[in-house]
Amino acid sequence: NAGVTQTPKFRILKIGQSMTLQCTQDMNHNYMYWYRQDPGMGLKLIYYSVGAGITDKGEVPNGYNVSRSTTEDFPLRLELAAPSQTSVYFCASRRGSGANVLTFGAGSRLTVL
Amino acid sequence: QQPVQSPQAVILREGEDAVINCSSSKALYSVHWYRQKHGEAPVFLMILLKGGEQKGHDKISASFNEKKQQSSLYLTASQLSYSGTYFCGTEETSGSRLTFGEGTQLTVNP
Repeated sequence: NAGVTQTPKFRILKIGQSMTLQCTQDMNHNYMYWYRQDPGMGLKLIYYSVGAGITDKGEVPNGYNVSRSTTEDFPLRLELAAPSQTSVYFCASRRGSGANVLTFGAGSRLTVL
Repeated sequence: QQPVQSPQAVILREGEDAVINCSSSKALYSVHWYRQKHGEAPVFLMILLKGGEQKGHDKISASFNEKKQQSSLYLTASQLSYSGTYFCGTEETSGSRLTFGEGTQLTVNP
């Protein structure tokens, strides 16, 4: 099993550009999450989804959009990139709530200049 | 609601013990503990559910006090490999939203 796969691993954007971070999991997990982690800081929840067609905002959703058309994929779109969005983005998934383990992808490092 | 972790940082000598605390102002359904090495993704340590249970694995254990909405992670006889940043994640209801604290940076020196 590949687990949670994120692409790209690294990306540099100019201010105002847009891009999509891809996330795919092959574990048939219902729940998927996007977190961002600024240098030396904790994980902030951006958006999450409990199943195909269902998404909800996390702690820091402004400037981002998500969609969940399939169980496997949960892309994160950045519109009009700003320097404040420079961060490492982690996608994660788990089967359900409670005692289900959260599996993280390797992360995508985004720099906005 | 983001949980609060303490302390922010701990420096130990190999073989010493440490306790990391995690608290919330909301009633919790579950508490998750992860460790992150520099430049890597967080790695799962353990999950505790409401009911006041305590879990352990080797020299790392954790407790969950449901009434106080607090969890503690206990690292005994620390090893160099324990170095990293420890995060607690909390779930307020069985509804899926999982938020993390700011982390506790643990450094174990020889």
